[in-house]
Amino acid sequence: NAGVMQNPRHLVRRRGQEARLRCSPMKGHSHVYWYRQLPEEGLKFMVYLQKENIIDESGMPKERFSAEFPKEGPSILRIQQVVRGDSAAYFCASSEQRDSHEQYFGPGTRLTVT
Amino acid sequence: GNSVTQMEGPVTLSEEAFLTINCTYTATGYPSLFWYVQYPGEGLQLLLKATKADDKGSNKGFEATYRKETTSFHLEKGSVQVSDSAVYFCALSNNQGGKLIFGQGTELSVKP
Repeated sequence: NAGVMQNPRHLVRRRGQEARLRCSPMKGHSHVYWYRQLPEEGLKFMVYLQKENIIDESGMPKERFSAEFPKEGPSILRIQQVVRGDSAAYFCASSEQRDSHEQYFGPGTRLTVT
Repeated sequence: GNSVTQMEGPVTLSEEAFLTINCTYTATGYPSLFWYVQYPGEGLQLLLKATKADDKGSNKGFEATYRKETTSFHLEKGSVQVSDSAVYFCALSNNQGGKLIFGQGTELSVKP
């Protein structure tokens, strides 16, 4: 019974490159949340998706960041033209029901921008 | 707006010591409150929760009581173990949309 899976666990990108972070929710879960943890800070909500829909993107930076959760396959968080300030741990969580605070978290992807 | 403030870490205790990690919140309405734990190299796990004032959440010997009058949700354990070493996050949900708002986390280190 696999939990939430994220890959890669560690990602190194040079400034200006693109970063793609993947999240496979728990089996039977159709709701995905992305959070970002900057150094020495708590997790900050970024976006909430249901399959093929963005429900709440109020925490997403206005530029360079996008997220999707297609009908088939994992959810993808995409960061274009990365900058050093994007270095952080990115966590994905999933839930079975809409608007649920019963969220199950993945191990995170640690992005380092050099 | 909604926010959560936790005591700063790291907190270092000897095995069997009493643990308190303070958490206070600011929120509109009647939020639900949570404690999550993150063991090294793993994702966050829900430790306990409380959904209304005066509720007490408990799990694995940890407890926290939802205090609306002091807007607090302090985490306590009577006797910590080395295996409790982890980062603990206090969080709230305003019950609109499932979004969780986290504190900055408190690292706990328990020495044998």
